[in-house]
Amino acid sequence: AQRVTQPEKLLSVFKGAPVELKCNYSYSGSPELFWYVQYSRQRLQLLLRHISRESIKGFTADLNKGETSFHLKKPFAQEEDSAMYYCALRDDDRGSTLGRLYFGRGTQLTVWP
Amino acid sequence: DTGVSQDPRHKITKRGQNVTFRCDPISEHNRLYWYRQTLGQGPEFLTYFQNEAQLEKSRLLSDRFSAERPKGSFSTLEIQRTEQGDSAMYLCASSFGIVETQYFGPGTRLLVL
Repeated sequence: AQRVTQPEKLLSVFKGAPVELKCNYSYSGSPELFWYVQYSRQRLQLLLRHISRESIKGFTADLNKGETSFHLKKPFAQEEDSAMYYCALRDDDRGSTLGRLYFGRGTQLTVWP
Repeated sequence: DTGVSQDPRHKITKRGQNVTFRCDPISEHNRLYWYRQTLGQGPEFLTYFQNEAQLEKSRLLSDRFSAERPKGSFSTLEIQRTEQGDSAMYLCASSFGIVETQYFGPGTRLLVL
């Protein structure tokens, strides 16, 4: 079953514009949600996780359990934000000894100058 | 570099051949994960280890796939009798405990001709 949905495969904005990358999830328990980012020719790296409630590189994401969403937002996009962004969910429901991550298919963000 | 490393970075093989990939996790990390990523998709979980014990395998991991982590340090992923459908990026990640961040390696890109 699809657990994480990222509806936009591609997203383009101009520098300085607000950006929102959408993520919806399907899970009945209490998942932990993450955003991972992959810059060109670099490895996948954690951007932020919902339990930390941090703002990283100007990005924030709020877990909305009612809408089962975890959208990633930034008020003013920068060219260096251009990358592939993956939303991921971790199954924390069985205690858990598992810890596997379920990823969405990713959104390629391009920020134009 | 103290991050997760993977070897080789690229592998081209002919259908029916066996291939083996290696992952060296961050030294103090006791959990090691394997994921597979095909074009246009996010990473998909294959299997994971806690120390030397393989605790779960995805249904994606057919009997042609085997993974080991003999001393609880590095891990190998072997694919026997490769098929064209095995062409993908194979990612390794490690973490210290279940709730900690998973750090990803650069991946091994496999092409089966």
